[in-house]
Amino acid sequence: TQLLEQSPQFLSIQEGENLTVYCNSSSVFSSLQWYRQEPGEGPVLLVTVVTGGEVKKLKRLTFQFGDARKDSSLHITAAQPGDTGLYLCAGQPQGGSEKLVFGKGTKLTVNP
Amino acid sequence: NAGVMQNPRHLVRRRGQEARLRCSPMKGHSHVYWYRQLPEEGLKFMVYLQKENIIDESGMPKERFSAEFPKEGPSILRIQQVVRGDSAAYFCASSPRTGKNTEAFFGQGTRLTVV
Repeated sequence: TQLLEQSPQFLSIQEGENLTVYCNSSSVFSSLQWYRQEPGEGPVLLVTVVTGGEVKKLKRLTFQFGDARKDSSLHITAAQPGDTGLYLCAGQPQGGSEKLVFGKGTKLTVNP
Repeated sequence: NAGVMQNPRHLVRRRGQEARLRCSPMKGHSHVYWYRQLPEEGLKFMVYLQKENIIDESGMPKERFSAEFPKEGPSILRIQQVVRGDSAAYFCASSPRTGKNTEAFFGQGTRLTVV
């Protein structure tokens, strides 16, 4: 069974600070996706990374896929209160499986 | 540009009743996935369907749960004789194609409460 471990589980920071969220596994994934989920809403896709070592930037968010495609990180620069939410990583297991395996998420709170 | 539409958003059922959750995928998407999210847990895969076919139901409980995606109309997740443990948020996702690196887009979910 593939598992994705996210850390930290909770993160509370001040506006303007930088942060990194990690997503780790012992399994290889053909792709990995990051989602953000607000209370009472569905997950919203932020980015998909597919190549080992790939780095993608989305404004103040930087996503990296590990060289071995077993882990990923999300770095936020100069966090803002609007970044508050639950960040989920989800991997598509190697081998053609269609289902996504989700981590439990990192609950981020950015205080003004 | 309508996204994935789920209804109802909230559903309350008494123990023993049936729950029907509906999902209309994004326009042009023929692949539908159902996930369940329990409090403080990540999303867990339940079932993957294409039009008129169940492709992977490895995450579905063996009893009381069923899913369909008919040729016409929305996908339906059906839970018979609900129990308190079925209380959760159920999310539907759709994608335009199958295979490697497929991106899935989620609906807003149906929050089922069993009383």
